[in-house]
Amino acid sequence: GAVVSQHPSRVICKSGTSVKIECRSLDFQATTMFWYRQFPKQSLMLMATSNEGSKATYEQGVEKDKFLINHASLTLSTLTVTSAHPEDSSFYICSARDRGLALFNEQFFGPGTRLTVL
Amino acid sequence: SQQGEEDPQALSIQEGENATMNCSYKTSINNLQWYRQNSGRGLVHLILIRSNEREKHSGRLRVTLDTSKKSSSLLITASRAADTASYFCATGVRGNNDMRFGAGTRLTVKP
Repeated sequence: GAVVSQHPSRVICKSGTSVKIECRSLDFQATTMFWYRQFPKQSLMLMATSNEGSKATYEQGVEKDKFLINHASLTLSTLTVTSAHPEDSSFYICSARDRGLALFNEQFFGPGTRLTVL
Repeated sequence: SQQGEEDPQALSIQEGENATMNCSYKTSINNLQWYRQNSGRGLVHLILIRSNEREKHSGRLRVTLDTSKKSSSLLITASRAADTASYFCATGVRGNNDMRFGAGTRLTVKP
């Protein structure tokens, strides 16, 4: 149980295009999902917290107009990188908090999406 | 901002030896989790220890938590070359939804 999927696993796009990444909780309901980015050989940095049915909360320094987050259902959150540039190339990882395990803040991570902007 | 700090940053050992990694954090936590990440891949959840627990085992893994010292350790016994990866601790903070990751320890196990 507690599986989180991400799609696509890898994407290459041209500068200026927009890319959408999906994060799904497959066997549980996730009231909250989180988006992280990771640069090579560095740790994960939280970008934003996404709550089902409400606006995402962004961390300081993360442009909300550039990284659009939608959490339309209890099992799906999407991150859209708008007008992507080479500096947006990174590894994006989502996690989902199990509604039934909310007391201990247990989260489950997706396998990540490697974005390369040419 | 990061919460946990792993120590050491890099560790190189021979197959069969034990590997110990430490994690320190700054604020009160609900739980602490250890993850493993192979190069360029996603995170693999290893073990979660709650704030009211002191020690947990899972196979060759042993995790301890000392809330008075705000620290945790991950011990991998009888290491294998396949254990080569980066290991991160992540803390779940009371009252917050998100988790904060440390910088990670890069473990290399030589065959």
